[in-house]
Order: sequence, then structure tokens, then C-alpha cells
Amino acid sequence: DAGITQSPRYKITETGRQVTLMCHQTWSHSYMFWYRQDLGHGLRLIYYSAAADITDKGEVPDGYVVSRSKTENFPLTLESATRSQTSVYFCASSVAGGTSGSPSYEQYFGPGTRLTVT
Amino acid sequence: ELKVEQNPLFLSMQEGKNYTIYCNYSTTSDRLYWYRQDPGKSLESLFVLLSNGAVKQEGRLMASLDTKARLSTLHITAAVHDLSATYFCAVLLPGGSNYKLTFGKGTLLTVNP
Repeated sequence: DAGITQSPRYKITETGRQVTLMCHQTWSHSYMFWYRQDLGHGLRLIYYSAAADITDKGEVPDGYVVSRSKTENFPLTLESATRSQTSVYFCASSVAGGTSGSPSYEQYFGPGTRLTVT
Repeated sequence: ELKVEQNPLFLSMQEGKNYTIYCNYSTTSDRLYWYRQDPGKSLESLFVLLSNGAVKQEGRLMASLDTKARLSTLHITAAVHDLSATYFCAVLLPGGSNYKLTFGKGTLLTVNP
């Protein structure tokens, strides 16, 4: 299926466990992003990646690790999950530039992963 | 630091009425995006506004951008129940090549019969 997918869609884990959220896109978009969505905070950027092997921190990176060995995949790892990381996580991708005219840099979002840390 | 403020955060309106959601941002940018999110769902792109004075319309929704005032509006005409959702504006962080978006906190719109 074309598009951007996330797995798992729902995850319950215990405090202190490591958990990895997967993101896969089939558009060959250069840029990929991880956000968390919490009530009262909207969407906050955790990490982003400009291309394979290029990643950088966003607004709330503490407690998270990312990697991007292939253009199409951008996994997010919580090394030692805490209750404060209970959230809905969205992955997104965008094209770095357009083939003609002014690029829009529009971001396309995956379906989300609802993570609960007990 | 780019700040994006939406108001109102909560909007309850009757079917058939008109209303406007406002999105103010703190730093010059010429790229603004509106997204819609239904409960428990992902974000769906509504409008991409790429320049000062840009206006886009889709059905009962119309979005505009005034980069000089650092303001975008999302106007709802003759609201219907199906428009009930949370609407987010997002602004592209200017400068560099990061292509990061900063989101407003969202406006929860409820359209009542």
C-alpha cells in the first residue's frame, strides 16, 4: 500500500521497558518527522530527519532515540519508557523541494500510535 | 522561537452559522498550513497557503494568509455537523533548510444541530 504507515497502532508497555515505534513511507520523501500529541499541548516535534543518516532534535527529544538507515523507515525508540511518555505519536513525511515552482513542504501524517506506559 | 497561537481553542456553533478561526504567529513566514483532525484519527491536510494574500476555498471552508500581519484565518460558512473536528494551523519555521512546522494548539469545533 502506498502512503505512510505506523506500527503498532496501539501499545501498552511498562515503565522502564524499551519500546520502538515504526514508521514507513512509500513516497521516497526526503524529510520525516516524529511528533507527540498531548491534550493541551497540540503537536510537538520530537525528532526529524532530512535524509538517510541525517537526524536532528526537535522541541522535546529527551528520552527518545531515532535512526534512519533507509529513506523509507524512521523508527522512534523510547529507551526506558516513563509514564510521561504516554501519548499519541504521529510520524509525518514531506518533500524537501518541488520539481517546479515554489515547494510547499506540506507534511503528510501517518495514522498514529497510541502508547500507554503503565 | 516561533510561536503559533490559535483562537478560539473551543468553538461551539449552530448549524447554518458563520464563524472564523484565527491563527497568529510570531515570526515572518510565508508558508502556512491548515489541518483537520477527527477524534481518534490522524491529521488531514486542508489548505497550503504559500504567499501573502493567498486564499484557498474548499466547500464551506476558506483560508487566507496575511504575512504582513502574521495572521491566517479559517472561515466557516453555513456550518454543518460534518465540520465538527479539531482544526490546526501550522507555520513553517523560516530560514535554513529544516522544513519544520510549528503547530498551534488546535481549535475544537463542535457544530450543533
